[in-house]
Amino acid sequence: QSALTQPPSVSGSPGQSVTISCTGTSSDVGRYNRVSWYQQPPGTAPKLMIYEVSNRPSGVPDRFSGSKSGNTASLTISGLQAEDEADYYCNSYTSTRDVVFGGGTKLTVL
Amino acid sequence: EVQLVESGGGLVQPGGSLRLSCAASGFTFSTYWMSWVRQAPGKGLEWVASIEQGGTEKYYADSVEGQFTISRDNAKSSLYLQMNSLRAEDTAVYYCARDVSGWYGRFDYWGQGTLVTVSS
Repeated sequence: QSALTQPPSVSGSPGQSVTISCTGTSSDVGRYNRVSWYQQPPGTAPKLMIYEVSNRPSGVPDRFSGSKSGNTASLTISGLQAEDEADYYCNSYTSTRDVVFGGGTKLTVL
Repeated sequence: EVQLVESGGGLVQPGGSLRLSCAASGFTFSTYWMSWVRQAPGKGLEWVASIEQGGTEKYYADSVEGQFTISRDNAKSSLYLQMNSLRAEDTAVYYCARDVSGWYGRFDYWGQGTLVTVSS
């Protein structure tokens, strides 16, 4: 159950786009389209932003998009806004019937 | 409105036990997989355990296997986590989460969390 690999931090200016990567293995990210992304502002519970690689739950702005290539999934946030500043986590289902999270990425809006 | 409300956290000595509860409302609890996810202070999210709708099928992270037990009472719309032989590294905020995908890790609703502190 090794954690998925995310960059510790990313940053961007308002209006710009940023991409956060989430690298796993052929036993998790690479094997299943069961990757989700969560947003967690400080002191709050996580919020589901993307599921099954690229689907947005109702109410999530279309500025948030997801994709996957091989063992790496990505979350892209376009048209950055100050309210997007938060920690972001990916997770994936695994071949051992577990769920594994990434280590988290802190997004700073400059 | 879906609500998940955790309780039972607190300060416990190393080696002690604690039972967390999660009261669910606003949805048909008995039709969803449910999970516990924890977050140590200043750290990332860690999946802890999950349980299927009927309470028979359960999965645990290696880090808590044999130490924690997940259970549920569908009549009370409640989820539980029995934590034994607690260690300092179990200190974390424990979240209850609903898995809308069956057992694939799509957690669409989360509680506000309950803090467990293991310290002497």
